[in-house]
Amino acid sequence: GAGVSQSPSNKVTEKGKDVELRCDPISGHTALYWYRQSLGQGLEFLIYFQGNSAPDKSGLPSDRFSAERTGGSVSTLTIQRTQQEDSAVYLCASSPVSRLEAYEQYFGPGTRLTVT
Amino acid sequence: DAKTTQPPSMDCAEGRAANLPCNHSTISGNEYVYWYRQIHSQGPQYIIHGLKNNETNEMASLIITEDRKSSTLILPHATLRDTAVYYCIVSVMDSSYKLIFGSGTRLLVRP
Repeated sequence: GAGVSQSPSNKVTEKGKDVELRCDPISGHTALYWYRQSLGQGLEFLIYFQGNSAPDKSGLPSDRFSAERTGGSVSTLTIQRTQQEDSAVYLCASSPVSRLEAYEQYFGPGTRLTVT
Repeated sequence: DAKTTQPPSMDCAEGRAANLPCNHSTISGNEYVYWYRQIHSQGPQYIIHGLKNNETNEMASLIITEDRKSSTLILPHATLRDTAVYYCIVSVMDSSYKLIFGSGTRLLVRP
């Protein structure tokens, strides 16, 4: 079956512009996550959606970052007034969250964002 | 902060077993140990997880010590395609299930 897909795969934008990154999770997965990975760094959690619950936004680095998930499926991560430090690979993952304690997250290929 | 400690790098010969250690001395009783790996330029890939018993699947084996303070991921017959960064993660006691990635172990499989 289809895995997690993300678009675009690469995005180059000028400093100060807004960007939107899209994630299509695996069908039927109720949980969706956004992470980012800066060059040579580990993965950093950004935001988590689970069903109709309020999202966990605790990882968003500033109020320039926002995300929404429409209809419990597709998610869009928006970065306003981009800065050079926003340059990173943005990864989306989804999970069935079938049991409270155990979960496997399935990652997409990522969107490489470069802010010039 | 990540709750695990891993060596920054390891190497092994192709066809041999790769044993990747992880220290998680502050693990709580109902926290799981998860292993993911990230091959260059790809998203992370789930490998295996366990609570207290040893686990095996088609990719790897997970050995957890009796006191649960450390574990070892075993790739029984490493191939060149197993070259990747391997992350040991302890599940977060939280209402969400975000993964807290540390710096991982960079495994190089030599021909």
